[in-house]
Amino acid sequence: GQQVMQIPQYQHVQEGEDFTTYCNSSTTLSNIQWYKQRPGGHPVFLIQLVKSGEVKKQKRLTFQFGEAKKNSSLHITATQTTDVGTYFCAGRKLTGGGNKLTFGTGTQLKVEL
Amino acid sequence: NAGVTQTPKFRVLKTGQSMTLLCAQDMNHEYMYWYRQDPGMGLRLIHYSVGEGTTAKGEVPDGYNVSRLKKQNFLLGLESAAPSQTSVYFCASRSMWTDTQYFGPGTRLTVL
Repeated sequence: GQQVMQIPQYQHVQEGEDFTTYCNSSTTLSNIQWYKQRPGGHPVFLIQLVKSGEVKKQKRLTFQFGEAKKNSSLHITATQTTDVGTYFCAGRKLTGGGNKLTFGTGTQLKVEL
Repeated sequence: NAGVTQTPKFRVLKTGQSMTLLCAQDMNHEYMYWYRQDPGMGLRLIHYSVGEGTTAKGEVPDGYNVSRLKKQNFLLGLESAAPSQTSVYFCASRSMWTDTQYFGPGTRLTVL
């Protein structure tokens, strides 16, 4: 079945440092989404990427979708304590994906002052 | 507009007991999903529904049953709970026009 892996599993940074998480799928995706889950909370939708090579920005967050539509990344510039949480990617298979998303394993970000 | 709600928030069961988790959404969404979240494993799909009266298996359906008798409600049942079902359970819904899923606050279940 489809697998979506994320690296790293954990990242501990000092406030102001940059952070990147990478998402890799074993199959080609029709789109990829990113979600953020604060500690003790539930996943909240951040963004969706659809086109090959697409790049989208949300303030300090930059999202990329790979040319082959099998990988994606989320980069946060100058992290803040409000960025703490677990970031998940989620993709729908290009063929046979049906109505399901496959979620990545997540990257837990901790930010120290 | 409450979005997606889940009851209960917490529950402790003994092995072999049964229970039902309720998910309700007020966004008139067609699709609803049940996930479990375990450390280091992300969110894994248990069952889902594409409309009232329909259900389908996800990635980890064994030991669970679901029902969608009303469009706004999606029930997840555990007939005979096992310690391996200790987890946080999230319900999500989405409309037919977008892949964006809206999650409920979760139910933390412990099976002793």
